[in-house]
Amino acid sequence: AQRVTQPEKLLSVFKGAPVELKCNYSYSGSPELFWYVQYSRQRLQLLLRHISRESIKGFTADLNKGETSFHLKKPFAQEEDSAMYYCAPAYSGAGSYQLTFGKGTKLSVIP
Amino acid sequence: NAGVTQTPKFRVLKTGQSMTLLCAQDMNHEYMYWYRQDPGMGLRLIHYSVGEGTTAKGEVPDGYNVSRLKKQNFLLGLESAAPSQTSVYFCASSYGTYTDTQYFGPGTRLTVL
Repeated sequence: AQRVTQPEKLLSVFKGAPVELKCNYSYSGSPELFWYVQYSRQRLQLLLRHISRESIKGFTADLNKGETSFHLKKPFAQEEDSAMYYCAPAYSGAGSYQLTFGKGTKLSVIP
Repeated sequence: NAGVTQTPKFRVLKTGQSMTLLCAQDMNHEYMYWYRQDPGMGLRLIHYSVGEGTTAKGEVPDGYNVSRLKKQNFLLGLESAAPSQTSVYFCASSYGTYTDTQYFGPGTRLTVL
């Protein structure tokens, strides 16, 4: 079965400290990988996607196929980064579609 | 552009009642999705549509039906609501394939008593 794990429900860091939000997935094949974010009182929105190899708001995510991980990182946390973060592998196969969201990690940046 | 809108924002139902949630998008997107979010859980896909007139089951389709009669609208129906369907429901849309960015609505909070 396809599965995505975000081991931390809550992650608290001080402003200026590095941040790493963990995501591990178990999929057969090669899923496309996303991170979505929900700021307080805002809609869920895309933060970044693996295929774009981009850095958004200072965040990057590295795919490690050997470890089946797609951890989200930022070198210096800012207060405005406080939000819920969801890892979401997407997989299509055998005529079906699957986009599976992890349970999410709440990031709290302490001033 | 309004993006993705959902109607209603809140609803309280009694067990056994029926209702329809409406999702509308003005971005000319082909794909539309319905998710539910429960406390401590991620979003789970209920049903989705890859184009007008098409629907498909997601991860948790039981107890729900959907229709996509118009490209811009995606309806989620509960024929006989149960307390287990108490949740926050999110609609989303994307331009093309499932790997495109999904744009989410604000959510509908449904309580079934």
